[in-house]
Amino acid sequence: DAKTTQPNSMESNEEEPVHLPCNHSTISGTDYIHWYRQLPSQGPEYVIHGLTSNVNNRMASLAIAEDRKSSTLILHRATLRDAAVYYCILIGGSNYKLTFGKGTLLTVNP
Amino acid sequence: AAGVIQSPRHLIKEKRETATLKCYPIPRHDTVYWYQQGPGQDPQFLISFYEKMQSDKGSIPDRFSAQQFSDYHSELNMSSLELGDSALYFCASIPPGNLGGYTFGSGTRLTVV
Repeated sequence: DAKTTQPNSMESNEEEPVHLPCNHSTISGTDYIHWYRQLPSQGPEYVIHGLTSNVNNRMASLAIAEDRKSSTLILHRATLRDAAVYYCILIGGSNYKLTFGKGTLLTVNP
Repeated sequence: AAGVIQSPRHLIKEKRETATLKCYPIPRHDTVYWYQQGPGQDPQFLISFYEKMQSDKGSIPDRFSAQQFSDYHSELNMSSLELGDSALYFCASIPPGNLGGYTFGSGTRLTVV
């Protein structure tokens, strides 16, 4: 499985934008970039995914580098409810299994 | 909208007992994944099913078995429970064609005493 690298933790203030980076230099052409988040004692929650183009949904935006070796999850206005562990995961080919690595613990300050 | 339903939410068992965890995927989702998350750990893939057949297997102990039934619900059976099996167990489902993201259930918290 192609690996991703994320910072262990990040901190933000409420109502400010948050940019969560992810490096995936060994990504292959068929790998999709998925982002999930997990709040304490809850199941992981799908946030967004993309292949090559930037993507937007009601929760966040995903900016993908032109060479696809990195991506950034953007929360436009962080709220206290966005405090969670964010996972960047590559899924590709016939194997659609999610393999969780070490995500980024996002702390949001009031 | 319907979500992934897991039961029970909490389960307390003694060592060497057996436990059965159930997962009801979103209607028309034909693929189910099971994950185990120990305290302070990231979720670890156990096993998956597609159209009632095992499709992939991860770090699942031989003491554990699972199956997917004709109505697509899945059960994870755990025997000879050990203290180290205490964890949150999540299942997730995805729709046909693997479009979009996984939908996870709220999990079953298993405590082995």
